[in-house]
Amino acid sequence: DTGVSQDPRHKITKRGQNVTFRCDPISEHNRLYWYRQTLGQGPEFLTYFQNEAQLEKSRLLSDRFSAERPKGSFSTLEIQRTEQGDSAMYLCASSLVRSPLHFGNGTRLTVT
Amino acid sequence: AQTVTQSQPEMSVQEAETVTLSCTYDTSESDYYLFWYKQPPSRQMILVIRQEAYKQQNATENRFSVNFQKAAKSFSLKISDSQLGDAAMYFCACSITQGGSEKLVFGKGTKLTVNP
Repeated sequence: DTGVSQDPRHKITKRGQNVTFRCDPISEHNRLYWYRQTLGQGPEFLTYFQNEAQLEKSRLLSDRFSAERPKGSFSTLEIQRTEQGDSAMYLCASSLVRSPLHFGNGTRLTVT
Repeated sequence: AQTVTQSQPEMSVQEAETVTLSCTYDTSESDYYLFWYKQPPSRQMILVIRQEAYKQQNATENRFSVNFQKAAKSFSLKISDSQLGDAAMYFCACSITQGGSEKLVFGKGTKLTVNP
């Protein structure tokens, strides 16, 4: 069990640029989640995959956000035309059915 | 909508003492799970303890135990013999299952300081 891996750990970008984050879940986990965490807050749900199917998207996920999980393995989260309000920690987690979530270290995004 | 409330933004405890972190939740589901996660400054969220709502017995993991009051929708975390390494943000979370999708809803967290 190598844990959930996220890349990069930090990303600084200028407003209006596109960014993409990657998450590698624990290999046998079929569920994968993206959460966003802003300073002083708990994680907020963004989206969820079971295998390669994206089963739920939060209203927080505007049209500028897109997530994929091709072949049910790693996942990417892309933010287009970034805004300063997108600055946050983006957390990825994976799990088996009805099992606790295992989180990665997160990607901290700063939009200048 | 399901909500999780942590009413203590910050708590402090002396090393070796006991501290209790509070959490209340609101859900209309009958089958759910409750969790406490710890997030140290290194920022990775780590599972501390998990409680299944249908189990009346309170969960225990070494120095960590919960007081689960289902009728009151209360789920507090007790840390005994506090250690310096327990210093972190603690998040209470409740699982939601809708249409085959399962996710966690988190509270805003309690920052725990452990004083030597």
